[in-house]
Amino acid sequence: EVQLVESGGGLVQPGRSLKLSCAASGFTFSNYYMAWVRQAPKKGLEWVATISTSGSRTYYPDSVKGRFTISRDNAKSSLYLQMNSLKSEDTATYYCARQPGYPYWGQGVMVTVSS
Amino acid sequence: DVLMTQTPVSLPVSLGGQVSISCRSSQSLVHSDGNTYLHWYLQKPGQSPQLLIYRVSNRFSGVPDRFSGSGSGTDFTLKISRVEPEDLGVYYCLQSTHFPYTFGAGTKLELK
Repeated sequence: EVQLVESGGGLVQPGRSLKLSCAASGFTFSNYYMAWVRQAPKKGLEWVATISTSGSRTYYPDSVKGRFTISRDNAKSSLYLQMNSLKSEDTATYYCARQPGYPYWGQGVMVTVSS
Repeated sequence: DVLMTQTPVSLPVSLGGQVSISCRSSQSLVHSDGNTYLHWYLQKPGQSPQLLIYRVSNRFSGVPDRFSGSGSGTDFTLKISRVEPEDLGVYYCLQSTHFPYTFGAGTKLELK
């Protein structure tokens, strides 16, 4: 059974950093592109980042480019999202998801950016 | 960025009825590899989104055949027939042809 379990969320002050993790199981992690998708409270879904199988290629929307870094450790079947210079508008539930097409999602982890 | 215009925003339905949700993109979603990366998801209250349809018309494993997707280019439709209580929630379309990937704003399917 495919499982994606996020961790690392919490309350953080504006301008500070936070690192999210996603532990994958039930499939060969190294064979798949992976992604982070977020959802602000009571809002829609927003794609945040994608990483290639080896980690050599990463993709971001302008809203997080230069502040967020997606990475992976295939030996540990783990996905990460390093979030720097956090803003209040980054407050959201963050999901990790397997590509292509996002057939599998984690349960999500809440990040609150507030002073 | 590709704008995904999803309509309607809210969709009242009677159980057993049939509904359609539209998703229109601001540019063609045909990828250079010939595929069209337009997908549909359902998010039930308090849950993560779940994939229903991938690449326009392919039902994901376990999705009932009451759900069907169609369309091409910039115009896509999700149809749900014989609506059941477990179908209620918010439906999203997603294009993953062009970076940045973009979602529609969502359609809330609710009981009349």
